Formats: sequence, C-alpha cells, structure tokens
Amino acid sequence: NAGVTQTPKFRVLKTGQSMTLLCAQDMNHEYMYWYRQDPGMGLRLIHYSVGEGTTAKGEVPDGYNVSRLKKQNFLLGLESAAPSQTSVYFCASSRFWETQYFGPGTRLLVL
Amino acid sequence: SQQGEEDPQALSIQEGENATMNCSYKTSINNLQWYRQNSGRGLVHLILIRSNEREKHSGRLRVTLDTSKKSSSLLITASRAADTASYFCATDAGANFGNEKLTFGTGTRLTIIP
Repeated sequence: NAGVTQTPKFRVLKTGQSMTLLCAQDMNHEYMYWYRQDPGMGLRLIHYSVGEGTTAKGEVPDGYNVSRLKKQNFLLGLESAAPSQTSVYFCASSRFWETQYFGPGTRLLVL
Repeated sequence: SQQGEEDPQALSIQEGENATMNCSYKTSINNLQWYRQNSGRGLVHLILIRSNEREKHSGRLRVTLDTSKKSSSLLITASRAADTASYFCATDAGANFGNEKLTFGTGTRLTIIP
C-alpha cells in the first residue's frame, strides 16, 4: 500500500496563478483532510471531508476550494494564489475519527 | 485558535536520557493524540489516549492525561538519535462537537545529542 500520496511535491507560483493539489489514499478511508503548516503555527485545518461528495470548512478555508468526487481522492484548489499561501500543505486521511495518516507534504512558494 | 499548546517549544538532551514534553488544552475532549514529525516529512501517529484513561504505554512511550488540569504529557524513555523530531499533541472537539476534526498544537522540537 502506498498510503497517502500528494502531488506535486514542490511548486512555485506567481501571484494570481491557480493550481490544484492532489491527495490520494489507498486505505479506503472515509475522512480526508487538508492542512497547512507554517513556522511556529503548527498545523491548521483548511478543509475536510467525511465522505465521498462531502466537504466542510476548517479553521483557515479562505482562498481555497476542495472537491471529493471519488472516495480515494481529495483535491485542494487555489484559484488566485497569494504570497500568504506560501506554506507546506499536508493531506491526511482516517477511517473515521482517531488516527490520521499523513502524506509527505507539498511545498508551495508563491512569488 | 490552537486547542493544544506544547511545552517546552524546544528540548535538547543527551542520548539515553528521558525526554518529557507537555500539552495543555482549553476545552473538553474525547481523545488526545500525539504525533511525531521528522524534518521535512509528514506526521506519524504515536499514541491515542481517551478521556477516561489516565495513562497509556507504547514501547518507550508513556502518555498521561489529566482531564481536571486539561493537560497531557509524553515521556520518551532511553532516548535515541532517531527520536530527534518535532512532537505534536492533537485534540478533538469534544462530545458536543464531534471528533472528526483534530486541532494540533505548535509542537515541541526535540533534539537528541549523541
């Protein structure tokens, strides 16, 4: 099993550009999450999903959109990137609540 | 807002010593979890302790939970160089708000000196 994978691993964007981060899990987990990690801030929840076709806002949802069309995939979109969105993005999944399994992260730099 | 706050922010110890880090949180919880993050990697789950448990062990890890003080501690015994990492506590939203979401603290950076 690959677990949780994230694509791409690193990306540089210019302000105003858009992009989509892909998260895939092969553990048949119901719940999936997108976090961002900034120095000194810990992990902050952006959006999450409790099942295929569902999404919900987390702590810092502004500037991001998500979709969960397939159970195994959770996409995070940035419609118009801003320098404040420079961060490391982590995807995680869990069977229901409790233990979350994390991907390796995507480093995003917005110039 | 951060539910969990770890203390200390950074800790350096000699290999073989024990390392203790603490987590405080603000509201009632169902479960508290500890995760480890090696530099540049994703988080890895270490241990979960439920609100009705006071202590839990897993290998060299010992976790305690004091719900009256809203605090938890993680003890790593006989530390090894490979234990060098950041450690995060994570709490759910408690009985009234469900536990599908976790809130992570800012972490303790542990350095083991060979």
